[in-house]
Amino acid sequence: NAGVTQTPKFQVLKTGQSMTLQCAQDMNHNSMYWYRQDPGMGLRLIYYSASEGTTDKGEVPNGYNVSRLNKREFSLRLESAAPSQTSVYFCASRTYGTPTYEQYFGPGTRLTVT
Amino acid sequence: AQSVTQLDSHVSVSEGTPVLLRCNYSSSYSPSLFWYVQHPNKGLQLLLKYTSAATLVKGINGFEAEFKKSETSFHLTKPSAHMSDAAEYFCVVSSPFRDMRFGAGTRLTVKP
Repeated sequence: NAGVTQTPKFQVLKTGQSMTLQCAQDMNHNSMYWYRQDPGMGLRLIYYSASEGTTDKGEVPNGYNVSRLNKREFSLRLESAAPSQTSVYFCASRTYGTPTYEQYFGPGTRLTVT
Repeated sequence: AQSVTQLDSHVSVSEGTPVLLRCNYSSSYSPSLFWYVQHPNKGLQLLLKYTSAATLVKGINGFEAEFKKSETSFHLTKPSAHMSDAAEYFCVVSSPFRDMRFGAGTRLTVKP
């Protein structure tokens, strides 16, 4: 039982390049989330998927797209990277509709855009 | 709407002294509240959670938090700090069918 896994762990992009961050969970959770973490700002929600087949914008969705590939996998795509997207990205999952269930987080992806 | 305010961005204590990290929340629903810890260059780990059972919640590593509805607070405490407690701590609020909202974080420094 690996929990939530993310790839890659580190990535350096040039401005304008694109990339996809991958996330997978093996806990049979129906909800998955993408956050970015910037110093002094906590974690901010980019997109989430309450259940397979649905996705919704969070607080900071601009410049990102997501795909809920199946129940296990939720990817985040940067179509044209910008320096403002330099951040640490976390994927999380939990059981939807029951607020008492906590989110489980992946180890994060550290992205630098030059 | 729901939100969380962590009242201190940085707290410094000496080893062996008490720890208090303060959190106020706002929620239109009956909230669930969580504290997560993040050690340097690591992911987030759940410390404890409040889910409308007991108002005093005990977590891992000797931490506990008290839910006070009248004060809309959920402060995190530990009687005696250890060097290994140095980390960033996040207070989080969640409501039914909604996402979780994180506070900005409190960095805890523990001096020898």
